[in-house]
Amino acid sequence: DAKTTQPPSMDCAEGRAANLPCNHSTISGNEYVYWYRQIHSQGPQYIIHGLKNNETNEMASLIITEDRKSSTLILPHATLRDTAVYYCIVRRIAGGGADGLTFGKGTHLIIQP
Amino acid sequence: SQTIHQWPATLVQPVGSPLSLECTVEGTSNPNLYWYRQAAGRGLQLLFYSVGIGQISSEVPQNLSASRPQDRQFILSSKKLLLSDSGFYLCAWSASYGRASYEQYFGPGTRLTVT
Repeated sequence: DAKTTQPPSMDCAEGRAANLPCNHSTISGNEYVYWYRQIHSQGPQYIIHGLKNNETNEMASLIITEDRKSSTLILPHATLRDTAVYYCIVRRIAGGGADGLTFGKGTHLIIQP
Repeated sequence: SQTIHQWPATLVQPVGSPLSLECTVEGTSNPNLYWYRQAAGRGLQLLFYSVGIGQISSEVPQNLSASRPQDRQFILSSKKLLLSDSGFYLCAWSASYGRASYEQYFGPGTRLTVT
């Protein structure tokens, strides 16, 4: 699976949009971009994933550049509960997704009151 | 709805003692199951995954082993714990087919301290 690069930490004011960047310049055509987050002392939580089109769900939006070499996760109205480590993962889906996830160090997002 | 359970939540064990961590999933059948470990200050590392009863794939060689005696039960074991086995152990599941197979769902984790 392709490697990803994320800033180690970011701050965002409560109520503002949090934009978390991720570089994945070696992504292959059959690899998806996934985002998970991990709140302190809990298991990771799936947020969103996409292939090449922008995606939106009740938690966040995912913007993938046209060349697919980078993406941005957007939390539209950040709250204090969004403070967590956010992981960008590039993953090839194979055999129904039986392969595991490769987590990097992620971005520690701190929402400031 | 589906639920994943792990126990115990915390565990303190001496070096050289055995280990058994259990994970069960409810509300789904034939899930893919995973064990991850997160050492202090480090990212999550995939240890084992299973696509069915008795089918275990190991990602990292170590003194840990995994077993899947039932469809929705996944067990992580060790015969003799090392200090380096300390960490946060997470079990996860995913559907084995369809769009839901794209997501993994994690349990609450077991925090293991080896002394």
